[in-house]
Amino acid sequence: EVQLVESGGGLVKPGGSLRLSCAASGFTFNSYSMHWVRQAPGKGLEWVSFISSSSNYIYYADSVKGRFTVSRDKVKKSLYLQMNSLKAEDTAVYYCSRGYSRSHFDYWGQGTLVTVSS
Amino acid sequence: EIVLTQSPGTLSLSPGERATLSCRASQTVSSDYLAWYQQKPGQAPSLVFSGASGRATGIPDRFSGSGSGTDFTLTISRLEPEDSAMYYCQVYSTSRWTFGQGTKVEIK
Repeated sequence: EVQLVESGGGLVKPGGSLRLSCAASGFTFNSYSMHWVRQAPGKGLEWVSFISSSSNYIYYADSVKGRFTVSRDKVKKSLYLQMNSLKAEDTAVYYCSRGYSRSHFDYWGQGTLVTVSS
Repeated sequence: EIVLTQSPGTLSLSPGERATLSCRASQTVSSDYLAWYQQKPGQAPSLVFSGASGRATGIPDRFSGSGSGTDFTLTISRLEPEDSAMYYCQVYSTSRWTFGQGTKVEIK
C-alpha cells in the first residue's frame, strides 16, 4: 500500500524558516517523481514544487521560487521542502504527492499545516 | 500559463441523478495531461480520473471523464450520498501543474 506521511509543520513567524518532510513507503520511491501541493484555509489547491525521480529536474511555482527548496533522499525514501523567508500567504496545509509521469498526482499524503503568523 | 475554469461552482442534486462537472482550459491541452480529484472535508484530495490512466484504483464505474481541446467533463452517472465532495480538475503544461477552482457537489 502506498503511504506518504508528512511532518514538520507548525507555527512560524513571518520571515522564518521551516523544513517539511514526507516519508514514503509501499512503492519504489526512487522510480517516481514527487510533488508538494498546498491548500490555504478554505481555498483551492496550488501546486508548489516538483522533483524528478533522479533529482535532475526541479520546478517551482512562481509564488515560492527563490524561497523554497525541494530535495529527496533515496536512502531514507523521503521528500523534503525547505521553506525560507516565509510569508503570511504561505499559510496552508502542505501535501506531499506522488507524480504519475509528468501528468498528475496519483497518491497524496494527509498533509501538514504550516501557519505563518506573528 | 494555462487557466482552468470549473463550472458550476456548486451542484446540488438528489441521489440517483446525473452530475456533469465542467472544466474549461484557457488554451488547448492534451487530454493525457488532464485529471480530476475528489476532496472531502478534512481529507486530502484523491485521484478520481485521468486522461493518462483512466479511472483511479477503487473508483466506481459511475465516474467517467471525457473531453478534448479546451473542454473537459467529469460525469457521475448516478449520484450516491458518499459522492458529496469538492472536485478539482488539474492540467500539466510546460513544467507547471495547475488546478481549477473546484466544483462543490452537494447531495440533497
